[in-house]
Amino acid sequence: GNSVTQMEGPVTLSEEAFLTINCTYTATGYPSLFWYVQYPGEGLQLLLKATKADDKGSNKGFEATYRKETTSFHLEKGSVQVSDSAVYFCALSTGGGNKLTFGTGTQLKVEL
Amino acid sequence: EPEVTQTPSHQVTQMGQEVILRCVPISNHLYFYWYRQILGQKVEFLVSFYNNEISEKSEIFDDQFSVERPDGSNFTLKIRSTKLEDSAMYFCASSRDMFANTGELFFGEGSRLTVL
Repeated sequence: GNSVTQMEGPVTLSEEAFLTINCTYTATGYPSLFWYVQYPGEGLQLLLKATKADDKGSNKGFEATYRKETTSFHLEKGSVQVSDSAVYFCALSTGGGNKLTFGTGTQLKVEL
Repeated sequence: EPEVTQTPSHQVTQMGQEVILRCVPISNHLYFYWYRQILGQKVEFLVSFYNNEISEKSEIFDDQFSVERPDGSNFTLKIRSTKLEDSAMYFCASSRDMFANTGELFFGEGSRLTVL
């Protein structure tokens, strides 16, 4: 079956620090990969996605590259801001179905 | 900006009681979903709903669970007889197109259910 493993949080960084949140997956077939973000008091929202190997998804300064050889989709940002404090969820979908398989979520806290 | 809204934000109930969680999806969306997250665990798919019927459901979604779109705007999740292990955050989501085409679901803030 499908599964997603994320690094455990919480992750606490100083503003302008480099961020990496690790995500690895197990999937049947060729998954599409996603990062969702949940800001305090809001619903989960799509941050970025990649649908095939070597694709790079990017949005709001965040990037993640679909690595088939290592079954990974790590989230990175070069310089985080306090406003990036949120919970980040890695997820996948396979087979053209309409459901997501999520990881546990990683809480990020950025301090001044 | 249109958003998915969920009520209540938090509900406490006694084991064995019926609970209804309500969601108002984005108005022009056609596909609706419920997910849940037990504290410290992964967000899990429960059910998807399209054209007034369930299109897919997980093993978790047993006979104790049901979904309904009673009036064209609300989308509800009912748990008939709650158990302690139903305590979780329940997320409603909607999408305009088949998820497979866009990969984007729009989620509500969640309803936290605590079963005592």
